Amino acid sequence: GDSVTQTEGLVTLTEGLPVMLNCTYQTIYSNPFLFWYVQHLNESPRLLLKSFTDNKRTEHQGFHATLHKSSSSFHLQKSSAQLSDSALYYCALSVRGSALGRLHFGAGTQLIVIP
Amino acid sequence: GGIITQTPKFLIGQEGQKLTLKCQQNFNHDTMYWYRQDSGKGLRLIYYSITENDLQKGDLSEGYDASREKKSSFSLTVTSAQKNEMAVFLCASSSDRGNQAPLFGEGTRLSVL
Repeated sequence: GDSVTQTEGLVTLTEGLPVMLNCTYQTIYSNPFLFWYVQHLNESPRLLLKSFTDNKRTEHQGFHATLHKSSSSFHLQKSSAQLSDSALYYCALSVRGSALGRLHFGAGTQLIVIP
Repeated sequence: GGIITQTPKFLIGQEGQKLTLKCQQNFNHDTMYWYRQDSGKGLRLIYYSITENDLQKGDLSEGYDASREKKSSFSLTVTSAQKNEMAVFLCASSSDRGNQAPLFGEGTRLSVL
């Protein structure tokens, strides 16, 4: 079945260092939709990035990700971590578009940025 | 702007009790979802509904019922609360137009004594 794997449960970084959170997915469908959500403490998950286009970089709020269908990956990156980036990050997959399909979420990666 | 309202925000129940969680959205979205969030397990889909009176089971539907009586509301019932259960239940909704990602409510935090 469809699934998402986030290999790191916890990532701890020093402020100013680059961020990379891994996301790989499995699906038999050739047109997956990939999303990154961010959830700060005591808040609900909020959409950070989305992509449907192979090999095209998508950016928002300093974060970027590129969907690579060849490697089934959608890693989240940022050039320089800020303290305010500390949050739980979810990668999610939909194979029919989010509305009529359903999102499959990874287990989440907790990012902690320290001074 | 629209909003997704979940009630109650906190719910304390007794083992074996039937508990109902409610969700309302004023985005006029067609599809609504209920997810359960447990630490280290991500968000797992319990039920979703693509239109009024429709219900689709997710991966975690056993032990739950759901109801979509109106387009704007989607309720979830825990049929028999399990002792020491603690989880956050998140409601979400999305539009059928374009590739719109679901928007989430603020959650209901459940504790079972």
